Amino acid sequence: EVQLVQSGGEVKKPGESLKISCTSSGYSFGFYWIGWVRQMPGKGLEWMGIIYPGDSDTRYSPSFQGQVTISVDKSISTAYLQWSSLKASDTAMYYCARATISVAGWNFDSWGQGTLVTVSS
Amino acid sequence: QSALSQPASVSGSPGQSITISCTGTSSDVGGYNYVSWYQQHPGKAPKLMIYDVDNRPSGVSNRFSGSKSGNTASLTISGLQAEDEADYYCSSYTSNSAEVFGSGTEVTVL
Repeated sequence: EVQLVQSGGEVKKPGESLKISCTSSGYSFGFYWIGWVRQMPGKGLEWMGIIYPGDSDTRYSPSFQGQVTISVDKSISTAYLQWSSLKASDTAMYYCARATISVAGWNFDSWGQGTLVTVSS
Repeated sequence: QSALSQPASVSGSPGQSITISCTGTSSDVGGYNYVSWYQQHPGKAPKLMIYDVDNRPSGVSNRFSGSKSGNTASLTISGLQAEDEADYYCSSYTSNSAEVFGSGTEVTVL
């Protein structure tokens, strides 16, 4: 069974750094893309970026380029999303998801449970 | 990157059919046959319902179907059921080599 288990909720202050994780099991981690999706409170889904664990090829949405960093550690089948300096506007639920790929375009076929990040002074 | 445009809400009675539209540009929806649809129930993670415009993943009811014409993709739910009440999001590959979600549509079963 494919499972993506995300790290627990976080409460941080503006300006602090943060790295959240997404650990996969039940499939060959290196052969599927892993993406991150933001959902601000009461709002819609936002595609942040995606990484291929096989070679760490990473794509970012223009909206999130330079704002976050996506990485992986293949040895422990884990993907990460990190911020160097959080803002209150980063308060949101963050989902990781496994993606299958067509010739172009990714389809998120398995999702993590979400990590709630709260940034408040 | 602007979100694809979806109606805020669509409603229907049990057994009816409804259609949700997803409008983009030639740089996303209109330029590629890589549109997906996701269902999200409150407090839950999204679920893939349609991929590559009109393909259903294994296990998804055949009451869900997708199509595309020009810059607009559509999701049709036939034989509407109470369990279909949820938020629905389209997603498309873009010329930025990324993807973009739609603004989301709340489906209400009357």
